[in-house]
Amino acid sequence: AQSVTQPDIHITVSEGASLELRCNYSYGATPYLFWYVQSPGQGLQLLLKYFSGDTLVQGIKGFEAEFKRSQSSFNLRKPSVHWSDAAEYFCASESGGSYIPTFGRGTSLIVHP
Amino acid sequence: NAGVTQTPKFRVLKTGQSMTLLCAQDMNHEYMYWYRQDPGMGLRLIHYSVGEGTTAKGEVPDGYNVSRLKKQNFLLGLESAAPSQTSVYFCASSYSRLAGPPGEQYFGPGTRLTVT
Repeated sequence: AQSVTQPDIHITVSEGASLELRCNYSYGATPYLFWYVQSPGQGLQLLLKYFSGDTLVQGIKGFEAEFKRSQSSFNLRKPSVHWSDAAEYFCASESGGSYIPTFGRGTSLIVHP
Repeated sequence: NAGVTQTPKFRVLKTGQSMTLLCAQDMNHEYMYWYRQDPGMGLRLIHYSVGEGTTAKGEVPDGYNVSRLKKQNFLLGLESAAPSQTSVYFCASSYSRLAGPPGEQYFGPGTRLTVT
């Protein structure tokens, strides 16, 4: 069975600092990978996705993620965090032929002024 | 487009009462999902549907029933609410993919349910 691990429950950064949120997946073949963001009181919104090809993918709001097969990772990065980035971030994976994504438990990002 | 909408936004139930949560999407998506979100647990799939008239169980289906009579609507029912069902419920939809990569999920704003 697939699993997605987000090792950090909370991450605190200062505004303007860089950010990296970790995500590890467990699946034999290359999965389809997603990052979602959930602002307080809202549903989830897609930030970016990786299916194949270039392992560095760009998303909305200045986020990017890099797929590393050797490390089974799909970490999310942003060079300079804004206070409005404070939210919950979820990594998800889905295998080909499955209708169901597997979500990580989420990482809560706190941004200090 | 309204996207994915959920009704109601908030609800308080007494133990043993029943209710139905409505999810509607206007994107002509084939797949629809119901999740519950609890602190520290992430999203857990309750039921899902891959097309009109079809439903399937997810990770935590007990105590819930669903119906997909129309393509655009996915209903989640609680027959006899329990305090353990206090949660935030999210509906999501995605387009069909007969071959190739899956589409991303589009989420509704959530329903906050409290069972006392």
